[in-house]
Amino acid sequence: EAGVAQSPRYKIIEKRQSVAFWCNPISGHATLYWYQQILGQGPKLLIQFQNNGVVDDSQLPKDRFSAERLKGVDSTLKIQPAKLEDSAVYLCASSLDLSGYGYTFGSGTRLTVV
Amino acid sequence: GQQVMQIPQYQHVQEGEDFTTYCNSSTTLSNIQWYKQRPGGHPVFLIQLVKSGEVKKQKRLTFQFGEAKKNSSLHITATQTTDVGTYFCAGGFGNEKLTFGTGTRLTIIP
Repeated sequence: EAGVAQSPRYKIIEKRQSVAFWCNPISGHATLYWYQQILGQGPKLLIQFQNNGVVDDSQLPKDRFSAERLKGVDSTLKIQPAKLEDSAVYLCASSLDLSGYGYTFGSGTRLTVV
Repeated sequence: GQQVMQIPQYQHVQEGEDFTTYCNSSTTLSNIQWYKQRPGGHPVFLIQLVKSGEVKKQKRLTFQFGEAKKNSSLHITATQTTDVGTYFCAGGFGNEKLTFGTGTRLTIIP
């Protein structure tokens, strides 16, 4: 089966600019997650969707980060304006349902804010 | 908050030696998952443990879930160069959300 697709693979922006990441989960996977992984750390959950509804966004910095999952399939994560500390790999993952068994991660987008 | 601690942070072993990483939570977990992340790659799901005291094996890898469901370990027997990477545990706290540990980076000395 096709994996979780993410784009772009790399992005370099200046602070205060905006950026958007795209994710297409595995077909049929109802649950989609966005994680932030700072170098040397474990992934940190930003937001979790079940179909097109938000299940958990408690760790999403809502003053600058936003995410949507229209039609319950593709998702986009946006940062506006970006800060230096946003430099990280942004990972999208999906799973069949809310049981959370065995996430499948995409290859991630490496963001560098200069 | 819900935290999952993992030790050691780094481990360097000679090829053929064994390797173990440990994961601890201050609160009871509903399940624990293990992931492997190769350098420059993304986390890849290895296994999920759900039952108290559960032990599962995958070839040279042995996964254990503690009796109190607050700790877990991953043991690799006779490491090979293909085992290089960072191993993460991720704890489920009954709310369908996983909290990842800090990871153990394994390097192999040929």
